[in-house]
Amino acid sequence: DAGVIQSPRHEVTEMGQEVTLRCKPISGHNSLFWYRQTMMRGLELLIYFNNNVPIDDSGMPEDRFSAKMPNASFSTLKIQPSEPRDSAVYFCASSLGSGGTFSNTGELFFGEGSRLTVL
Amino acid sequence: GNSVTQMEGPVTLSEEAFLTINCTYTATGYPSLFWYVQYPGEGLQLLLKATKADDKGSNKGFEATYRKETTSFHLEKGSVQVSDSAVYFCALSDKRSNTGKLIFGQGTTLQVKP
Repeated sequence: DAGVIQSPRHEVTEMGQEVTLRCKPISGHNSLFWYRQTMMRGLELLIYFNNNVPIDDSGMPEDRFSAKMPNASFSTLKIQPSEPRDSAVYFCASSLGSGGTFSNTGELFFGEGSRLTVL
Repeated sequence: GNSVTQMEGPVTLSEEAFLTINCTYTATGYPSLFWYVQYPGEGLQLLLKATKADDKGSNKGFEATYRKETTSFHLEKGSVQVSDSAVYFCALSDKRSNTGKLIFGQGTTLQVKP
């Protein structure tokens, strides 16, 4: 069974350009999470969705960042315009979080990440 | 609010040494506790978990016991191998949450030398 799929794996862009990162969660999972990992700040939760609805976007650094989940099998994280300080590895993860009774084992399944370098 | 604190790394050990990585947490309610591992160039993957007090999670020779009285979930392994070199993350989830959100510690890098 396929895991969480992220694309691109690597992206190098110039400051000011738009960046779009993509994620396909595991089929049947209804919670999706976007994390950012840097040496300085560690692993930061940016936003998460439950049943395609954004639940908490308080971790999104600023208005340059936006995330969407148009359907259960696809999500995007967009940075516009990008800045050098956005350079990081961005992870998408999915889980069986429920919208009603808690039934989740708590396990998150992570993709392999998208390494972004903004010059 | 809920939080997780791990011992700072890096932790450097020789092969076959005993490993302990400390993890303490602050939480309301009754969280589930997890250890995730991240190998170089990869995403995080679940190593072990415990869902209630006094439970012991174990996998690949690693163990951790959910200690409610000390709010701890320390990771241990009796004899580490070079292949255990990775970053280890302690995490908790609030079972009252309906979304599966996890709160992670800052991660501890383990380097095992031959």
